[in-house]
Amino acid sequence: DTEVTQTPKHLVMGMTNKKSLKCEQHMGHRAMYWYKQKAKKPPELMFVYSYEKLSINESVPSRFSPECPNSSLLNLHLHALQPEDSALYLCASSQVGGLAGELFFGEGSRLTVL
Amino acid sequence: GENVEQHPSTLSVQEGDSAVIKCTYSDSASNYFPWYKQELGKRPQLIIDIRSNVGEKKDQRIAVTLNKTAKHFSLHITETQPEDSAVYFCAASDNAGGTSYGKLTFGQGTILTVHP
Repeated sequence: DTEVTQTPKHLVMGMTNKKSLKCEQHMGHRAMYWYKQKAKKPPELMFVYSYEKLSINESVPSRFSPECPNSSLLNLHLHALQPEDSALYLCASSQVGGLAGELFFGEGSRLTVL
Repeated sequence: GENVEQHPSTLSVQEGDSAVIKCTYSDSASNYFPWYKQELGKRPQLIIDIRSNVGEKKDQRIAVTLNKTAKHFSLHITETQPEDSAVYFCAASDNAGGTSYGKLTFGQGTILTVHP
């Protein structure tokens, strides 16, 4: 299985809502990532988890809260978002160590904040 | 931190022509350079990558060259086809091997359009 699965594919939420994005991989990867992507722009790194511990937080506002319950799952909890947070949120995974580097991306969750 | 510049931002070619996209990077410690293709509404997908101990790598119609001294790398697509139309991103990382992981810095992207 070489897939990274993200749910939901589309999400519309109001600024006062609380929602979560979910990501799952079964490739045995021990690094998992959240990226944010605006249309025709490169993915921007938000968070990196390595061995289920938060390793990188790229100064992301606290209204985004990541969680890594186990080595296969990654969540992104959303609360009190702003319309400018509307974007494609991509989850990715990779090996750690050895010939690390290649990221496997999920299809993304397209978020619209009203 | 690493900075990756990518040119051109848009590229339009006729079917069958070659396309070249160029990237420069700033961090001499970077040693892994992937290229991603992203079709409209789809995920970025790795199409080719190169590590710093190699100067050139080819996979059918796609090739990547790396000049570590000049800190630049390029994507070459030959015999382009309409299905090659997409946004292409270069990236650089200093984590190939060792105990770290894939913190990639992406270029700004190139919109490639191949006209039939």
